[in-house]
Amino acid sequence: GDSVTQMEGPVTLSEEAFLTINCTYTATGYPSLFWYVQYPGEGLQLLLKATKADDKGSNKGFEATYRKETTSFHLEKGSVQVSDSAVYFCALSERSNDYKLSFGAGTTVTVRA
Amino acid sequence: EPEVTQTPSHQVTQMGQEVILRCVPISNHLYFYWYRQILGQKVEFLVSFYNNEISEKSEIFDDQFSVERPDGSNFTLKIRSTKLEDSAMYFCASKGLRDNEQFFGPGTRLTVL
Repeated sequence: GDSVTQMEGPVTLSEEAFLTINCTYTATGYPSLFWYVQYPGEGLQLLLKATKADDKGSNKGFEATYRKETTSFHLEKGSVQVSDSAVYFCALSERSNDYKLSFGAGTTVTVRA
Repeated sequence: EPEVTQTPSHQVTQMGQEVILRCVPISNHLYFYWYRQILGQKVEFLVSFYNNEISEKSEIFDDQFSVERPDGSNFTLKIRSTKLEDSAMYFCASKGLRDNEQFFGPGTRLTVL
């Protein structure tokens, strides 16, 4: 079945540091890939997505590229801010199972001023 | 901007009691989902609903769970006899016909005592 493996946290960084969170996936077909963010006490928000190989999703300075050859979708940001402190979830969905989302375990990121 | 809403935001119940969690998806969406997140753990898929029937469900979604779309706007999750381990954050999500992005509600925190 489908599964997502993402880097274990927690990750603690200083402001303006470079952030990368690794994500790899296993899928039976050709999935769409997502990064969701959950700020403290809030629900899930879509951060970015990519639907086919070599697509790059980007939003709020975050980027991730759909790499089919390595089955990866690593999240990066060049210069983090305190407001980026949150839990980040990598996820995939496939049309074959009605687009249900399979999530990774989540990575807690704390950015210190 | 249209959004998914959920009520109540927090539900406290006694073990063995029935609870109904309510969701109002985005109005022109056709796919509906329930997920749950036990505190500190990853988001888990429960059930998907399309064309007025369950299209897929996880092993978590046993006979104690049911979903309904009673009136064309609400989408409910019922737990017939709650257990302590049902304590979690429950998220509703909906998706349109063409896009593969799911929009999440803010969640209902269920506490079973």
